[in-house]
Amino acid sequence: QVQLVQSGAEVRKPGASVKVSCKASGYTFTDYAIHWVRQAPGQRLEWMGWINTGNGNPKYSQKFQGRVTITRDTSASTAYMELSSLRSEDTAVYYCARGGHYYDSRGYYYGAFDIWGQGTMVIVSS
Amino acid sequence: DIQMTQSPSSLFASVGDRVTITCRASQSISSYLNWYQQKPGQAPKLLIYAASSLLSGVPSRFSGSGSGTDFTLTISSLQPEDFATYYCQQSYTTPHTFGQGTKLEIK
Repeated sequence: QVQLVQSGAEVRKPGASVKVSCKASGYTFTDYAIHWVRQAPGQRLEWMGWINTGNGNPKYSQKFQGRVTITRDTSASTAYMELSSLRSEDTAVYYCARGGHYYDSRGYYYGAFDIWGQGTMVIVSS
Repeated sequence: DIQMTQSPSSLFASVGDRVTITCRASQSISSYLNWYQQKPGQAPKLLIYAASSLLSGVPSRFSGSGSGTDFTLTISSLQPEDFATYYCQQSYTTPHTFGQGTKLEIK
């Protein structure tokens, strides 16, 4: 079945980096973008960026520009999100999500996150 | 960035009730609005895309409406499995911002 499986929980000290993986299966990896979304405890979902899995071109939220790097390995059908210079406020569950393709009755394209990974808890603590 | 504001932030209701959650965008997003359901310890699940299109497999008691800046999610007759947190999200432009969530709880 179509699914995204993420790597396991991580604990890091402030200032360190973390790299989370997201392995896709059940569909053609390069046909859909992968987005990264995080959720700090008790907070709303926060979009971090996405990658065009076909050409490898990423785009980042301005909030994370300079600290986040999103890459992909098409041979492994896997996307990665690396966050550097970690601080306590980065403690969160990090999700990858597939950018699904949807169209309305007029044929207009709409994007939505239709498949999600199970989430990866990242704890930043000294 | 486009700000998304949901109301109410929490809602108490009973099985069988009809509930409506609203979502307001800080600028027009046409119909580029999605709704997700999230249960504790789980990833969000897509319910509705393009403001009013029900994802295949989602029960028909869920419906969405609106365009521009004002949107609603309606559950026509609450079922026990519907008690969760609901988020709206705009896909009009990046960053793809989410509302703060509406927690639907049992009365």
